[in-house]
Amino acid sequence: RKEVEQDPGPFNVPEGATVAFNCTYSNSASQSFFWYRQDCRKEPKLLMSVYSSGNEDGRFTAQLNRASQYISLLIRDSKLSDSATYLCVVTKSGGSYIPTFGRGTSLIVHP
Amino acid sequence: DVKVTQSSRYLVKRTGEKVFLECVQDMDHENMFWYRQDPGLGLRLIYFSYDVKMKEKGDIPEGYSVSREKKERFSLILESASTNQTSMYLCASSFSGNTIYFGEGSWLTVV
Repeated sequence: RKEVEQDPGPFNVPEGATVAFNCTYSNSASQSFFWYRQDCRKEPKLLMSVYSSGNEDGRFTAQLNRASQYISLLIRDSKLSDSATYLCVVTKSGGSYIPTFGRGTSLIVHP
Repeated sequence: DVKVTQSSRYLVKRTGEKVFLECVQDMDHENMFWYRQDPGLGLRLIYFSYDVKMKEKGDIPEGYSVSREKKERFSLILESASTNQTSMYLCASSFSGNTIYFGEGSWLTVV
């Protein structure tokens, strides 16, 4: 089983739609969680960190479910500019710090 | 703002050549990473370093070596480039457990 798994998509949604992605992780010792956004042929950039209590940044909401070992990203009122690949990142506590990336979920927002 | 700079953005090299990819970060991060990214395979960790002169193998170290003589600089070396090393190479840095910052990427073509 992969350490971090994401549905690759693509998720094809109209402008204004609400879309949600999940990411599951296998290591219960995982400590920190992030969502990154990557545009075509560009480097990944931090979208938001994911906190235990859940957090919101404008149209984006991230949640963590430690019991079921998954994190989620909800995008409300999708814009054309939200089209990108969304990467889930998980880090473990203790020892050498190595972030583990999911393979990403592709989102296409169409007019 | 954190800056991770990959000085070589686009390179074309011949099979068997030695290739150096340089990465510099300006935020005194102890951790630095080299990834390659290929379509459908996501980000794969080649090597990482958590301190000067320290290095650890990632998931795909074969055919690569690294050097970290100064805290801000982490170099990736392809001793004898091969066509299967044609890829996008991403350097990243972070403090442990915190946001990972990426460089813009180096596109390497080996012919």
